[in-house]
Amino acid sequence: QVTLRESGPALVKPTQTLTLTCTFSGFSLSTRGMCVNWIRQPPGKALEWLAVIDGDDDKYYSTSLKTRLTISKDTSKNQVVLTMTNMDPVDTATYYCARGSSGYVVFDPWGQGTLVTVSS
Amino acid sequence: DIQMTQSPSSLSSSIGNRVTITCRASQSISSYLNWYQQKLGKAPKVLIFGASTLQSGVPSRFSGSGSGTDFTLTISSLQPEDFATYYCQQSYSTPYTFGQGTKVEMK
Repeated sequence: QVTLRESGPALVKPTQTLTLTCTFSGFSLSTRGMCVNWIRQPPGKALEWLAVIDGDDDKYYSTSLKTRLTISKDTSKNQVVLTMTNMDPVDTATYYCARGSSGYVVFDPWGQGTLVTVSS
Repeated sequence: DIQMTQSPSSLSSSIGNRVTITCRASQSISSYLNWYQQKLGKAPKVLIFGASTLQSGVPSRFSGSGSGTDFTLTISSLQPEDFATYYCQQSYSTPYTFGQGTKVEMK
């Protein structure tokens, strides 16, 4: 059974750096074609894709957020970490991680999500 | 970036009705189009991938079609558990992008 779980602070202050961890089980990021994606969703708004990392350590980012995002992996711990710098209240959202696989890169399954609020 | 445009943004329909949601890409994405369903307070779940392949376990009343730039998600007979928000997503190239969502409400 494949599962993913997001963890990180529920509250961050403006200008701070957010660090989120996605801990997964049931698959290996070393397996060809596997990747882990981060997606966010502000309250009442649409989904926004943020970043992806694969087993070859290839990384891709959202165009609008690429200067603020860093994605990394610890294959031995089955974890993927996303950092986002210079947090702003507009970054308040539920942050999800999701597995992607080769072919059509379907996001399946997703973690339950973690709500991050940016406020002083 | 490839822009994904869904229509309508919301719709009201009744149990048993046929529902159609469209998604248009700003450039050709072949069949690299996935559909997700999201219920309130829950993570999205994949319904259709590759434009027309039904994910395992998804009821057959859901179907997808299209290629290139124009795609459709159809629910043949709307059921109570189908009231949710639906998103299309292109996986043709990074940055992967989602449509703005279509909320299906009860009439």
